[in-house]
Amino acid sequence: GNSVTQMEGPVTLSEEAFLTINCTYTATGYPSLFWYVQYPGEGLQLLLKATKADDKGSNKGFEATYRKETTSFHLEKGSVQVSDSAVYFCALSDLGYSSASKIIFGSGTRLSIRP
Amino acid sequence: KAGVTQTPRYLIKTRGQQVTLSCSPISGHRSVSWYQQTPGQGLQFLFEYFSETQRNKGNFPGRFSGRQFSNSRSEMNVSTLELGDSALYLCASSFPLTGQNTGELFFGEGSRLTVL
Repeated sequence: GNSVTQMEGPVTLSEEAFLTINCTYTATGYPSLFWYVQYPGEGLQLLLKATKADDKGSNKGFEATYRKETTSFHLEKGSVQVSDSAVYFCALSDLGYSSASKIIFGSGTRLSIRP
Repeated sequence: KAGVTQTPRYLIKTRGQQVTLSCSPISGHRSVSWYQQTPGQGLQFLFEYFSETQRNKGNFPGRFSGRQFSNSRSEMNVSTLELGDSALYLCASSFPLTGQNTGELFFGEGSRLTVL
């Protein structure tokens, strides 16, 4: 079945450091890939997405490239800020899916940025 | 356009009691899904309602139930509460009536339940 594996947290970085959060997936077919972010005390919100191989999703300085050959969708940011402190979830869904139950979430990676 | 609204935001119950949580999806969205989020288990799918019908259910006991009304608003109910039911319950809406379904879920801020 489909699955998502993301790097264990917590990840602690200093402000302006480079960020990578690894995400790999297992899926049949050609899923869409997502990164969701959860700020303290809030629900999840979509950060970026990519719907086909080699697509790059980007938002708020974050980027992730859909790599079919390595089945990966790593999240990167060149210079993190304190306001980026949050929990990040990698997820996949089959575009042909008929139910939200087919959206698979990773376990989440907690990111803390030191001033 | 208003987002997903969940009420109440916080509540405290005791073991054995029951609780009802409410979710109003984004206007025009037909699907409402519920998730339980805990530090130990992460994000777990509870169930999804689409046009007033439950079309998928996660691996939770029968104490967890839900329903969806004709205006797409949804409620979930947990009966005979246990300590382990303490969690953040998240609702998400999707499947707009118009436009393409992109697979994106729109989440509310959650209802934080504490069972004492």
